[in-house]
Amino acid sequence: GESVGLHLPTLSVQEGDNSIINCAYSNSASDYFIWYKQESGKGPQFIIDIRSNMDKRQGQRVTVLLNKTVKHLSLQIAATQPGDSAVYFCAEKDGGTSYGKLTFGQGTILTVHP
Amino acid sequence: DGGITQSPKYLFRKEGQNVTLSCEQNLNHDAMYWYRQDPGQGLRLIYYSQIVNDFQKGDIAEGYSVSREKKESFPLTVTSAQKNPTAFYLCASSVAGNQPQHFGDGTRLSIL
Repeated sequence: GESVGLHLPTLSVQEGDNSIINCAYSNSASDYFIWYKQESGKGPQFIIDIRSNMDKRQGQRVTVLLNKTVKHLSLQIAATQPGDSAVYFCAEKDGGTSYGKLTFGQGTILTVHP
Repeated sequence: DGGITQSPKYLFRKEGQNVTLSCEQNLNHDAMYWYRQDPGQGLRLIYYSQIVNDFQKGDIAEGYSVSREKKESFPLTVTSAQKNPTAFYLCASSVAGNQPQHFGDGTRLSIL
């Protein structure tokens, strides 16, 4: 079946550096993508989303890039802070579904060193 | 504040016992979802509901049951047929279409 996966399971950065978390997806029919942050013992927290008719979207300190040609999604975090340490998940929605059924990747652990 | 409330936070199940996990939302969302998360893995969809009195099986529905009698509530029952129930269970809700799902803080289920 279709799946969403991550290139790197762990990422360690120094406080103040920029972080880039990557995600590969295989379903060419996906039309909506989301990044979530999950802290230990808590539910995933929405960070940013992007629709397939866009290739870039910016939020506060975060940018999501979508490359449909190579089916690649990335999350960029500017000036990474210790509070950004968490597991980051990408998720995709198949454009053939009207409701929000999401397929999640396995996650990347981001560790920010002070 | 609007949000999703899951209870209890921790739950223990005995052999042969059914247990029910609660999920309540006050976001006025039509759609609700139940996911299972195992250590070091992503989320897998158990059941979802797009509207009151209707629900559909997700990818791993065997051993689970749900009901959707009210818009605000979507309880999940882990039955004795679920042989490996130990996991972190997450409930989410969303409006229809391409909108993000909002999650509760989960229930951790363990076997006694």
